[in-house]
Amino acid sequence: QITLKESGPTLVKPTQTLTLTCTFSGFSLSTSGVGVGWIRQPPGKALEWLALIYWDDDKRYSPSLKSRLTITKDTSKNQVVLTMTNMDPVDTATYYCAHNVRYSNWFDPWGQGTLVTVSS
Amino acid sequence: QSALTQPRSVSGSPGQSVTISCTGTSSDVGGYNYVSWYQQHPGKAPKLMIYDVSKRPSGVPDRFSGSKSGNTASLTISGLQAEDEADYYCCSYAGSYSYVFGTGTKVTVL
Repeated sequence: QITLKESGPTLVKPTQTLTLTCTFSGFSLSTSGVGVGWIRQPPGKALEWLALIYWDDDKRYSPSLKSRLTITKDTSKNQVVLTMTNMDPVDTATYYCAHNVRYSNWFDPWGQGTLVTVSS
Repeated sequence: QSALTQPRSVSGSPGQSVTISCTGTSSDVGGYNYVSWYQQHPGKAPKLMIYDVSKRPSGVPDRFSGSKSGNTASLTISGLQAEDEADYYCCSYAGSYSYVFGTGTKVTVL
């Protein structure tokens, strides 16, 4: 059974850098084809794809946020870390991580999500 | 990459059918047969309902079906049930291992 769980700060100040961790079980990021993605959802608004990392360290980013995002993995800890720089109140959202497989273009399952509020 | 366009809301009575559209461009929906659909109940994480335009994961009721024509994909819920009331999002592959989600549709069971 695959499970994922997001963790990180619930409150960050404007201009700060956000660091979120996705800890997963039931699969390994050393397995060929496996990937983990990040998706966010502002309160009452739509989902937005942010980034993806694959087992071979291939990384993909949303074009609109690419300059602010970094995704990394720690295979030994079964973790994926997303950092987002220069946080702004509009970045207030629930951030989800989800399992993905290259060439299988969907996200399943998802973590429970973690709400991050950006406010001074 | 602009968000795919979905109707804000659709509604139907129990037992009826509803269809949600998801309109993109030839760079995403129209260019690939890689549209997925997600159901999200309030306060919950999204759940995969359809992948590769029309395939259902195991455990998803067969009253959920997907299709695509040109730059528009559709999700149809037949025999609407109370538990189908939720938000639904489409998602399309957009090339170079990037993805774009839809604007979301609220399904109301009258």
